[in-house]
Amino acid sequence: EVQLVESGGGLVQPGGSLKLSCAASGFTFSGSSLHWVRQTSGKGLEWVGRIRSKANDFATAYAASVNGRFTISRDDSKDTAFLQMNSLKIDDTAVYYCKRVKMTASMTAMDWGQGTLVTVSS
Amino acid sequence: QPVLTQSSSASASLGSSVRLTCTLNSGHRNYIIAWHQQQPGKAPRYLMKVESSGIHNTGSGVPDRFSGSSSGADRYLTISDLQSEDEADYYCETWDSDVWVFGGGTKVTVL
Repeated sequence: EVQLVESGGGLVQPGGSLKLSCAASGFTFSGSSLHWVRQTSGKGLEWVGRIRSKANDFATAYAASVNGRFTISRDDSKDTAFLQMNSLKIDDTAVYYCKRVKMTASMTAMDWGQGTLVTVSS
Repeated sequence: QPVLTQSSSASASLGSSVRLTCTLNSGHRNYIIAWHQQQPGKAPRYLMKVESSGIHNTGSGVPDRFSGSSSGADRYLTISDLQSEDEADYYCETWDSDVWVFGGGTKVTVL
């Protein structure tokens, strides 16, 4: 069974930093891309960014709203991805989900974690 | 950059069918999209991928009451034999090389 478990959320002051983790199991972590997606209370989904597999040079990409402040990384030896969030703003308050994406010519798999809440407030 | 447009809400009676629409903006009509379901208080769940040809690739464990299709810039998700547990928000998603975007979501109410 595929599982993605986020952790590290909490309360942080504006301007502060927080690092989220996404621990994976049940699939070949090293072969998948890992995305972070956030959702503000009662609102829709917003893509934050992604990191590709080693075969794709661990390439990262970010939404304009977080580019330069957030960094995604991964440790394939621990089947874990990370989201480092710096210079946090009140607007970054959201539930953060990690999402695994694996697409080949013959199959597509996308799996979501349960989310972790980040609150940016003074 | 691709943009996805969804109606904000839809409703249908228990046991009937409902079709949701996700529209791609100009210049992106041939893009593949994915559909996700988010039940109240839960994380999203991947349902399927829908190509411009109408071919859809359904996720593991997704009931066959859920199907996908396509016409021009529109991608559809049809839910047949609507059940109470289908009451949820449904999001479409698409991607370009370094950009992934979601539609605004459609809230489905089962009457």
